[in-house]
Amino acid sequence: GAVVSQHPSRVICKSGTSVKIECRSLDFQATTMFWYRQFPKQSLMLMATSNEGSKATYEQGVEKDKFLINHASLTLSTLTVTSAHPEDSSFYICSASPGLADIKKDTQYFGPGTRLTVL
Amino acid sequence: SQQGEEDPQALSIQEGENATMNCSYKTSINNLQWYRQNSGRGLVHLILIRSNEREKHSGRLRVTLDTSKKSSSLLITASRAADTASYFCATDEWAGNNRKLIWGLGTSLAVNP
Repeated sequence: GAVVSQHPSRVICKSGTSVKIECRSLDFQATTMFWYRQFPKQSLMLMATSNEGSKATYEQGVEKDKFLINHASLTLSTLTVTSAHPEDSSFYICSASPGLADIKKDTQYFGPGTRLTVL
Repeated sequence: SQQGEEDPQALSIQEGENATMNCSYKTSINNLQWYRQNSGRGLVHLILIRSNEREKHSGRLRVTLDTSKKSSSLLITASRAADTASYFCATDEWAGNNRKLIWGLGTSLAVNP
């Protein structure tokens, strides 16, 4: 099956530093990647959608200068949390879609998540 | 944005019992999916049901879809302690050229041994 990895799985950083999270599709090419944020005991909140080679589309209320997304290749997308603050502490999950021609068969495959703690 | 509402928000049952979770949504859908998430972990895709389907089975899982009521249910039969997790429904939505999942709030299931 399709596998998506995230790195790191867990990161602790000081307030004011920037953190980069990688999302990789290991055995397929991902036309589209999605970044989600999840607070404890809550559902997933879509932050942005990125298509390879183009700028990410951010959801309302998500600061694009705060959460930088780069989807430079068909197998890698990165999320950089710039000047992180304690309120950015959260579980970040990425997913990837192969972008099948038959859109009804297209689906998202999820990474295992990255736990970010900002001190 | 979240459009799905799930009930119950939390469910506690004994091993061997059946667990039923419900999900309601607001817009027209192409499909509805159910996912499972163990505490602090990633999401596991359980089952996808298309808008023209009414029921689908996968092992101990049974999903129903009622598009007239805009609702779906997930039934786990003969539950096991290992089924303890949060369960989310998600519906498909097109926004411009992008397709995205709209997530329900989730049901936290505890199966007691």
